[in-house]
Amino acid sequence: GGIITQTPKFLIGQEGQKLTLKCQQNFNHDTMYWYRQDSGKGLRLIYYSITENDLQKGDLSEGYDASREKKSSFSLTVTSAQKNEMAVFLCASSIVGNYAEQFFGPGTRLTVL
Amino acid sequence: GQQVQQSPASLVLQEGENAELQCNFSTSLNSMQWFYQRPEGSLVSLFYNPSGTKQSGRLTSTTVIKERRSSLHISSSQITDSGTYLCAMDLYGGSGNKLIFGTGTLLSVKP
Repeated sequence: GGIITQTPKFLIGQEGQKLTLKCQQNFNHDTMYWYRQDSGKGLRLIYYSITENDLQKGDLSEGYDASREKKSSFSLTVTSAQKNEMAVFLCASSIVGNYAEQFFGPGTRLTVL
Repeated sequence: GQQVQQSPASLVLQEGENAELQCNFSTSLNSMQWFYQRPEGSLVSLFYNPSGTKQSGRLTSTTVIKERRSSLHISSSQITDSGTYLCAMDLYGGSGNKLIFGTGTLLSVKP
């Protein structure tokens, strides 16, 4: 088994601020993902990466940057936080392949004042 | 676009009753995954099910890919089953898997 850790658990920012969220996994998975969940809505894919230094845009990539520094870590940057924004950001990982179950971290809760 | 219709949106049960949660998909999919979301937000993978039926304890997942649907059956519900259940379709495009999520079923099991 393995585990996915996300830091920080809670993130409070100011409007216009650049904010970075971090994710680490020890599954030795090739692919990592960032999803966003808004209250009452399903998760939406922001970015994913199928290997170190690879980046693929999801449906919600505008306003975000991502970085896959090494196989085990994947960072997400909110380039300019929006006032009154509240969301949960969830990181996941999986093997590469046709059938690849995704495993999720505990999430980072973002509040923008 | 690609959509996942999940029903019911909410469900209230008496402890011991059974539940059937449904997901319908708007497009062809590679597989599908069922999750339980804890109150604090973390996701627990319940089933990854490309086709057929899988069982784990009181939970059973059935996926019929050709009909673009999947169901999660909870038997003899318990108070601890309360929470949000999410389904997602897995779209594999050769450059990675993408999950498209439904909006969830909020289950409340009462004593």
